[in-house]
Amino acid sequence: DIVMTQTPSSQAVSAGEKVTMSCKSSQSLLYNENKKNYLAWYQQKPGQSPKLLIYWASTRESGVPDRFIGSGSGTDFTLTISSVQAEDLAVYYCQQYYNFPLTFGSGTKLEIK
Amino acid sequence: AVQLVESGGGLVQPKESMKISCAASGFTFSNAAMYWVRQAPGKGLEWVARIRTKPNNYETSYADSVKGRFTISRDDSKTMVYLQMDNLKTEDTAMYYCTAAPMLNTGNWFTYWGQGTLVTVSS
Repeated sequence: DIVMTQTPSSQAVSAGEKVTMSCKSSQSLLYNENKKNYLAWYQQKPGQSPKLLIYWASTRESGVPDRFIGSGSGTDFTLTISSVQAEDLAVYYCQQYYNFPLTFGSGTKLEIK
Repeated sequence: AVQLVESGGGLVQPKESMKISCAASGFTFSNAAMYWVRQAPGKGLEWVARIRTKPNNYETSYADSVKGRFTISRDDSKTMVYLQMDNLKTEDTAMYYCTAAPMLNTGNWFTYWGQGTLVTVSS
């Protein structure tokens, strides 16, 4: 199984600041035939279902604000929020879909100071 | 608008069975792969099961933790997906989310999510 490791487990930032969070996979998620990274990011706000933010490591889902930026390749990935807003308070999960079983990271909890 | 509405959760005793359902609308259900993802109280997300479309022979996949105990199925005529859970264990206690990957998905990421149904396994 591919193990997904997210760091940090939590972080607190002030509104307007830039924040980055890391997701590392135990094996490469880059599929050589199409040069795509099989990684998605989700946001789960308190008391809500998760919401898809990004797929193919860097493609923003329709309607997702452009302050959410996915980057990385291979085994190292980053989710950046360029200017955090109060409504970004949530837990962020990465998920690999390179193979089955589909696996998630343990999440990064974002708190707003 | 896309809707996924789960139902059928509740309290069940260990070793018993339960079937939860998901009613889908707002997208072409027959073209979508469907999944169940669960979340134990205060914990992270865990993929449980997937069922593909008719052209893909309704192929199913399961997490090792539920293989042999859970069965995912779908009824395209009713736009419903189901999860039959047998021999339930206390560690199956979780919110169960129905999720979908519409036809435009070329990978197994979860575009649409329901609100979840809570399954509690306890004596």
